[in-house]
Amino acid sequence: GAVVSQHPSRVICKSGTSVKIECRSLDFQATTMFWYRQFPKKSLMLMATSNEGSKATYEQGVEKDKFLINHASLTLSTLTVTSAHPEDSSFYICSARGEDRGWTDTQYFGPGTRLTVL
Amino acid sequence: DAKTTQPTSMDCAEGRAANLPCNHSTISGNEYVYWYRQIHSQGPQYIIHGLKNNETNEMASLIITEDRKSSTLILPHATLRDTAVYYCIVRVYNQGGKLIFGQGTELSVKP
Repeated sequence: GAVVSQHPSRVICKSGTSVKIECRSLDFQATTMFWYRQFPKKSLMLMATSNEGSKATYEQGVEKDKFLINHASLTLSTLTVTSAHPEDSSFYICSARGEDRGWTDTQYFGPGTRLTVL
Repeated sequence: DAKTTQPTSMDCAEGRAANLPCNHSTISGNEYVYWYRQIHSQGPQYIIHGLKNNETNEMASLIITEDRKSSTLILPHATLRDTAVYYCIVRVYNQGGKLIFGQGTELSVKP
């Protein structure tokens, strides 16, 4: 199956700092990538959809200035949590959809990044 | 909002078949049913998907009712490593095919 990686797997930062998380599709080109967050004992919540070379589309209630998404190439998307605060502590997961054979293309998920803001 | 409902939790004996049900009564004709699972503190893993026909791969089988209002994921010989949260997702056509997760079923495989 297709492989999606994330880096770092775990990050601890001080309140007020910015944190960047990378998501890479290792063996396929991903025209569309997605970012989710997950709180303990809860399901995944979609934050935004990004298409290569264009601005991300954010879900309702997600602050676009807080969570900056860049999808500069067909294999890399980044999520930057700006001025992080303890309430931003969460498990962030990216996923990538394969070469655009249509909206039914399978989505593959990365292993997730655990963010802890002190 | 997710278009599926699943039992919150299920138990299964090791070596037996695990049958995980999912209701999706509002599914539209061109919407696919996808199954993923998430083992604790990992990203979701793709299992299988289907439109109207039953599907089988090396991991599982997917049985979709004729009216497409429900489906069942079957793990033929469950092992302890199959303990996970299983998500049934209807991929919504008019939302760009994005996956909206519901609460899923927590499957516990017991020795």
